[in-house]
Amino acid sequence: GAGVSQSPRYKVAKRGQDVALRCDPISGHVSLFWYQQALGQGPEFLTYFQNEAQLDKSGLPSDRFFAERPEGSVSTLKIQRTQQEDSAVYLCASNLAGTGAYEQYFGPGTRLTVT
Amino acid sequence: GESVGLHLPTLSVQEGDNSIINCAYSNSASDYFIWYKQESGKGPQFIIDIRSNMDKRQGQRVTVLLNKTVKHLSLQIAATQPGDSAVYFCAEDYGQNFVFGPGTRLSVLP
Repeated sequence: GAGVSQSPRYKVAKRGQDVALRCDPISGHVSLFWYQQALGQGPEFLTYFQNEAQLDKSGLPSDRFFAERPEGSVSTLKIQRTQQEDSAVYLCASNLAGTGAYEQYFGPGTRLTVT
Repeated sequence: GESVGLHLPTLSVQEGDNSIINCAYSNSASDYFIWYKQESGKGPQFIIDIRSNMDKRQGQRVTVLLNKTVKHLSLQIAATQPGDSAVYFCAEDYGQNFVFGPGTRLSVLP
């Protein structure tokens, strides 16, 4: 079946622009996670949804980052007034269970480059 | 999380040899651990998992060992193949999300 998909795969933004990154989780998956992965590093947690409820946003680096999942399926990560330090791969993951303690299925990521 | 910048630890092994990749985790209360493989341009791919009530779990060509006393995980890959070349991350359950280790690059030599 279809895995987690993300779009766009690549995004170049000029500093100060707003961007929106989309994640389509596996159908029926309750939990959805966003991670940020800088070059040469492991993914770092940003935020977590259970259905449409955002249960943890402790990893969002600033108030310029905003995520939503209004109908409990597709999620969008929005970054306002992008800065160069926002350049990274943004990964989305989902799992079937209502907690994080199960295998997470990752999408291919969106590589954001801020110039 | 930890950061090693652009210079990931690298393990080079000959094709056909066994590989052992190590990881130290930080939270003694973590109940669940996963090893992920990440190839260039792709998202992390699940390899094998283990819960804290076990100290060893085997899959196809892979074995994960958990030592809770010293908070250490290892991934053993038997008969390493060129397709195993990738970056490997351990991840520990941290409540609602996972915390990833810094990663190890596995390079398989012909």
